[in-house]
Amino acid sequence: AQSVTQPDIHITVSEGASLELRCNYSYGATPYLFWYVQSPGQGLQLLLKYFSGDTLVQGIKGFEAEFKRSQSSFNLRKPSVHWSDAAEYFCAVGREYGNKLVFGAGTILRVKS
Amino acid sequence: DAGVIQSPRHEVTEMGQEVTLRCKPISGHNSLFWYRQTMMRGLELLIYFNNNVPIDDSGMPEDRFSAKMPNASFSTLKIQPSEPRDSAVYFCASSLPGQGVLDTQYFGPGTRLTVL
Repeated sequence: AQSVTQPDIHITVSEGASLELRCNYSYGATPYLFWYVQSPGQGLQLLLKYFSGDTLVQGIKGFEAEFKRSQSSFNLRKPSVHWSDAAEYFCAVGREYGNKLVFGAGTILRVKS
Repeated sequence: DAGVIQSPRHEVTEMGQEVTLRCKPISGHNSLFWYRQTMMRGLELLIYFNNNVPIDDSGMPEDRFSAKMPNASFSTLKIQPSEPRDSAVYFCASSLPGQGVLDTQYFGPGTRLTVL
């Protein structure tokens, strides 16, 4: 069965600093991987997704993520964080057939000025 | 497009009452998903539909929960009878046809349910 682990429940970074959010997955085959963001009181919005090809994926809002098969990881990065990036971030894994996504527990990002 | 529309946005009810949550997917999307989000269990998929047909309802917690999609533009999630442990935020999401899980899911704003 698929599973996703986000080791950090909360992360606080200063505005302008770099950011890395960790995600580890468990899945026997090639995973389809996703990062979503949830702003307070809002639904989730897709940031980026990976299913094949270049292991460095670019997304919206200046985010990127790198798939590392050897580490079963798909960490999300941003070189310079803005106050508006404060939100909760979810990593998710899906499989080739079907529509089902399994989400991690989420990481809450706080940005301090 | 208006995006995924959910109603009501907030619902407070008493234990034992019937609760109905509503969702209107984005026009043209043929996959619809119901999720539940709680502090304890995170975001869980309850059920999803393709072309109005339930495909996977393995996440529905028990018989008190039921979901329907009578047509391509409307779905309901019903809880009868409701219990305090059903308190959560319920999200509806929809996606375009074509690539299965790779299709981007567009989430509604959610319904915050409180069962007293």
